[in-house]
Amino acid sequence: AQSVTQLGSHVSVSEGALVLLRCNYSSSVPPYLFWYVQYPNQGLQLLLKYTSAATLVKGINGFEAEFKKSETSFHLTKPSAHMSDAAEYFCAVSEPYSSASKIIFGSGTRLSIRP
Amino acid sequence: EAGVAQSPRYKIIEKRQSVAFWCNPISGHATLYWYQQILGQGPKLLIQFQNNGVVDDSQLPKDRFSAERLKGVDSTLKIQPAKLEDSAVYLCASSSDRSSDEQFFGPGTRLTVL
Repeated sequence: AQSVTQLGSHVSVSEGALVLLRCNYSSSVPPYLFWYVQYPNQGLQLLLKYTSAATLVKGINGFEAEFKKSETSFHLTKPSAHMSDAAEYFCAVSEPYSSASKIIFGSGTRLSIRP
Repeated sequence: EAGVAQSPRYKIIEKRQSVAFWCNPISGHATLYWYQQILGQGPKLLIQFQNNGVVDDSQLPKDRFSAERLKGVDSTLKIQPAKLEDSAVYLCASSSDRSSDEQFFGPGTRLTVL
């Protein structure tokens, strides 16, 4: 069964600094991987997704993530943090070719931005 | 294009009471999901519908939770009777079909059980 582990429940960076949110996955087959963002009192919004094409995936709002099979990682980065990036971020995995494909979410990382 | 609609946005009830949530997915989306998100955790799938049929309800506590999507469009999730541990945000999502890799989420219903 697939799973994801997000390292660090809370990350705080200064405005303009690099954002790095860590995600490691476990899957018995080539996975699909996702990053979602959740702003307060809102649903989840897809930031980006990896579906076995290019290993470096670019998403919305300047975020990108790199799929590293050897490290079973899919870390999310942004070169320069903005105050509006403050939110909860969820890494997720699915096994698209299994008979009961579903998305499994990590426990989330809350990103805070310091002025 | 209108997004996934959910109501109510907030609900406070006492334990052992009943509660129902409503979801209207994006028009034309065949697959509908209900998730439970407990504070500090990621969303957990409760039930997945393909049109009006259930695809996966393996994590739905069937002794107290029920869900239906009778006409293959909107859906209701019911809890009867509620327990304190049911306090959570209930998220509805939809996708164009079962094999779609992208789900669109509604704003959720925040349930507090006292």
